[in-house]
Amino acid sequence: QVQLVESGGGVVQPGGSLRLSCAASGFTFSSYGMHWVRQAPGKGLEWVAFIRYDGSNKYYADSVKGRFTISRDNSKNTLYLQMNSLRAEDTAVYYCAKDGGEYSGYDDGNWFDPWGQGTLVTVSS
Amino acid sequence: SYVLTQPPSVSVAPGKTARITCGGNNIGSKSVHWYQQKPGQAPVLVIYYDSDRPSGIPERFSGSNSGNTATLTISRVEAGDEADYYCQVWDSSSDHVFGTGTKVTVL
Repeated sequence: QVQLVESGGGVVQPGGSLRLSCAASGFTFSSYGMHWVRQAPGKGLEWVAFIRYDGSNKYYADSVKGRFTISRDNSKNTLYLQMNSLRAEDTAVYYCAKDGGEYSGYDDGNWFDPWGQGTLVTVSS
Repeated sequence: SYVLTQPPSVSVAPGKTARITCGGNNIGSKSVHWYQQKPGQAPVLVIYYDSDRPSGIPERFSGSNSGNTATLTISRVEAGDEADYYCQVWDSSSDHVFGTGTKVTVL
């Protein structure tokens, strides 16, 4: 079955960096766009970033643009999120999620399914 | 920016029908997706493209979308339906947008 497993979360000081990974299995990873979505403690869901199935296009929420970088390695079936210049407001559970459409573009308005179990990032001194 | 507004909470007795609304400007022209999130768990897709159900989601879950309001309907509510529910759309000026979330309580 389709499975997404995130790793790399932890505690980091403000201004620090962290790289999250998302290992995918059970589907043809190279055929699907992938997303990162986060959820601050006790709050709602916030979309963070998207990468096209072939890595050719990347899109970011304004709140992370210039600080976060999404990437993928299709040979390893793995998605990444490099997070730099971290702030307290970046504290959240970070989920990776598969885009609902095969070979879809960013503006196809697709859904997210499935989601990984999430990894907690805490930015604190 | 595009805003999706949901009621903070909905309470429903077992066996009854719960309706969760998602309000947005001309949301009827967009594709709406719905997610269920139980405490400590990742969100799960329950409705996509306004009214389609993924495999494994009970027929009790249905959706509609028209005008300025999309609605997720849960028929014959069970205790296991107690969760937070979020709507989601894509908007050209706001990227992927999630609703504010609705906590469904089964009485």
